Amino acid sequence: DAGVIQSPRHEVTEMGQEVTLRCKPISGHNSLFWYRQTMMRGLELLIYFNNNVPIDDSGMPEDRFSAKMPNASFSTLKIQPSEPRDSAVYFCASSPRDRGDYGYTFGSGTRLTVV
Amino acid sequence: SQQGEEDPQALSIQEGENATMNCSYKTSINNLQWYRQNSGRGLVHLILIRSNEREKHSGRLRVTLDTSKKSSSLLITASRAADTASYFCAIPSGYSTLTFGKGTMLLVSP
Repeated sequence: DAGVIQSPRHEVTEMGQEVTLRCKPISGHNSLFWYRQTMMRGLELLIYFNNNVPIDDSGMPEDRFSAKMPNASFSTLKIQPSEPRDSAVYFCASSPRDRGDYGYTFGSGTRLTVV
Repeated sequence: SQQGEEDPQALSIQEGENATMNCSYKTSINNLQWYRQNSGRGLVHLILIRSNEREKHSGRLRVTLDTSKKSSSLLITASRAADTASYFCAIPSGYSTLTFGKGTMLLVSP
């Protein structure tokens, strides 16, 4: 298996533009997570999907952020409009179980810079 | 949700030495996980220890868990330059998610 695949690896955009981050989880994994990592705040959970259904989106910062999982093999995280404070590394992770007792497999991340 | 706190924040050692990092948490857990992150990469799952386990080994890694003290330690024996990375502990929060600490940055010098 190729692991969790994220695209793009790097994204530089201007403030106010729409940004879409993509994730392909490992086949057979029914849980998918989006995290954001910054120096100041560390790793923050944004949203958690189980069997393609959003279960916990309490970490989504505000209405500018939205996430979808239209099928078991694809998820997107969209920021519209983007702001400089959204600059961070965004990680997608997947897990084969829907309980927090199994390791996550992380993608390589998308480094987002909003100027 | 609770978060594990790693200690120290940074650790610098020579190749061949052992590295020990600790994680403390506040409420009861059913497991604790350790992850490694190399610079510019995603996190890699290292080991999971359950609340009924006191010690677990994986290669040069040894993890202990003391539920009475609400703490865990990760020991890397005979460290190598390739072990240079950040190490995170992760605590289950809610039903299915993990909360990560701020990490320990380990530097192993040749």
